[in-house]
Amino acid sequence: DTGVSQDPRHKITKRGQNVTFRCDPISEHNRLYWYRQTLGQGPEFLTYFQNEAQLEKSRLLSDRFSAERPKGSFSTLEIQRTEQGDSAMYLCASSLGGLLSGANVLTFGAGSRLTVL
Amino acid sequence: KQEVTQIPAALSVPEGENLVLNCSFTDSAIYNLQWFRQDPGKGLTSLLLIQSSQREQTSGRLNASLDKSSGRSTLYIAASQPGDSATYLCAVYIQGAQKLVFGQGTRLTINP
Repeated sequence: DTGVSQDPRHKITKRGQNVTFRCDPISEHNRLYWYRQTLGQGPEFLTYFQNEAQLEKSRLLSDRFSAERPKGSFSTLEIQRTEQGDSAMYLCASSLGGLLSGANVLTFGAGSRLTVL
Repeated sequence: KQEVTQIPAALSVPEGENLVLNCSFTDSAIYNLQWFRQDPGKGLTSLLLIQSSQREQTSGRLNASLDKSSGRSTLYIAASQPGDSATYLCAVYIQGAQKLVFGQGTRLTINP
């Protein structure tokens, strides 16, 4: 168990380009979450998956954002036509089960930092 | 809507001092509360998790308390060291929701 892995750690791109981030959760965790953190702020929830099903999306996730978890293992977060306002740290987390009962907690990865020029 | 506030936003103290970071939340319907540490440009490292039935947790020089009824948590750091310099985030697990809600963090600087 190597924890939650994210790749790349830092991506610099020009405005208008597409970028994709990958997250590999802890292997036995069936829940996967994406958060976004802008400079000086706390992380904000974007979306989460139970296995391959995307069950909730935040209003922060505009039409230019798409997240997938095709086989219920790793997940990708793609941003199309990037804008300077997309510059942020994108954090992935996973949990063994759902959070409704309070029995499970999130484990976070190191994050992928996006800089849009 | 649950809102989490951390005060102060930034704190600078000399090495060796004991200090307290504050976290407040507007809705007491939470399960757990978790404190994280974040170094510049890095991800989140979990420090302490206080479950709903608990009132405090301790790890080394760190002690976190939780008062759900008043919507408050504190993180106490004893005998601070320059290596404690980082941003500290608190987050609550909301009842009935599959997400954590974070505060904006306290940026702590320990001066040698």
